[in-house]
Amino acid sequence: AQSVTQLDSQVPVFEEAPVELRCNYSSSVSVYLFWYVQYPNQGLQLLLKYLSGSTLVKGINGFEAEFNKSQTSFHLRKPSVHISDTAEYFCAVKGTGRRALTFGSGTRLQVQP
Amino acid sequence: EAQVTQNPRYLITVTGKKLTVTCSQNMNHEYMSWYRQDPGLGLRQIYYSMNVEVTDKGDVPEGYKVSRKEKRNFPLILESPSPNQTSLYFCASSLSAAGSGGTGELFFGEGSRLTVL
Repeated sequence: AQSVTQLDSQVPVFEEAPVELRCNYSSSVSVYLFWYVQYPNQGLQLLLKYLSGSTLVKGINGFEAEFNKSQTSFHLRKPSVHISDTAEYFCAVKGTGRRALTFGSGTRLQVQP
Repeated sequence: EAQVTQNPRYLITVTGKKLTVTCSQNMNHEYMSWYRQDPGLGLRQIYYSMNVEVTDKGDVPEGYKVSRKEKRNFPLILESPSPNQTSLYFCASSLSAAGSGGTGELFFGEGSRLTVL
């Protein structure tokens, strides 16, 4: 079985401050990991992904995430957020050989001026 | 432009009135899937399809049907909608079937908000 836990349902932060959105996963096999972003009234779009190789992954819009196998985590970070980063962020995991992604419950990032 | 298209985007209906939400992708993807999104629960998979004429249940299939007669289309059918099916629905597709070596990276439609009264 595989599962994803996003510990924070909402994260308020001021513009230009750094942010970290936490994601922990559980899987009995090796995994692929993803972060998706959902802007208001839109579908989900891929922010970044970890498939193999370097554990630090860079995505669009200045976001990055680090895969930590020992802590089974894949936290998302940005050093300086903008108002336009206000959105909901979903972490997802797929075990190799499994047929579907499993999504976390989402974290709503609220960037305040 | 590569995209996944869902229709309708918004729908209000009444209990028991059959409805279909269409989904079409123009990327020649093998894998397609339906999710529902509810507050605090994230996305839960309803049904998926590995290829034409191959469909299978996801985590929450009760009350839904699907079909995959053509590679590009994957409609979601609610034979007798009930209020607990009020939700935001997303169709997604992937180049190769997750689990057959594919990475599982999904491309999403813009969503269909369904209200069942």
